[in-house]
Amino acid sequence: DAMVIQNPRYQVTQFGKPVTLSCSQTLNHNVMYWYQQKSSQAPKLLFHYYDKDFNNEADTPDNFQSRRPNTSFCFLDIRSPGLGDAAMYLCATSRDHGWMEKLFFGSGTQLSVL
Amino acid sequence: GENVEQHPSTLSVQEGDSAVIKCTYSDSASNYFPWYKQELGKGPQLIIDIRSNVGEKKDQRIAVTLNKTAKHFSLHITETQPEDSAVYFCAASRRSYKLIFGSGTRLLVRP
Repeated sequence: DAMVIQNPRYQVTQFGKPVTLSCSQTLNHNVMYWYQQKSSQAPKLLFHYYDKDFNNEADTPDNFQSRRPNTSFCFLDIRSPGLGDAAMYLCATSRDHGWMEKLFFGSGTQLSVL
Repeated sequence: GENVEQHPSTLSVQEGDSAVIKCTYSDSASNYFPWYKQELGKGPQLIIDIRSNVGEKKDQRIAVTLNKTAKHFSLHITETQPEDSAVYFCAASRRSYKLIFGSGTRLLVRP
């Protein structure tokens, strides 16, 4: 049973055209994260929600925004995608916000920017 | 800033042999070290983790060792099987939600 679901698996957008990636979870976890993973690189945390509280990483570009309308869903909005934003975007959840919390990842959305 | 280096980037072993993946962390305050396995087309999954007050942890064919003095930790897989083929990520954190990931090791187990 899929617990963290990301749609779509593959997304193609044009340079500068806004795009939204979606994530849903059936675990009822409090925390949802968005990671960016470029080819052969480590996943990099963009931001996360603890319940309704949004937490942005200091080096996340303003071009990236997120919404969490309810516990189950979280969206990643890229306002004006550039070629450098082509990457795998991973959504993850954890039960709580503390140390040693296990992360549950979705299968990711591979974003291409033409 | 915080950094985790992971080696090798690719590793090919014969089925039945052992595989070792090594990571080095920069933040001496790091105290939690999980390992995630990412199979093709799937998201990463936690396979084992270790806290800084423990030197070694085993779970069947996998084990993790930690050397706090040298700031490195390793994943050991014994009796490798084809289903062990995947990308493995190490990570480190210090009493927070934020994990710093290594760049991954692609393990191929040859039948």
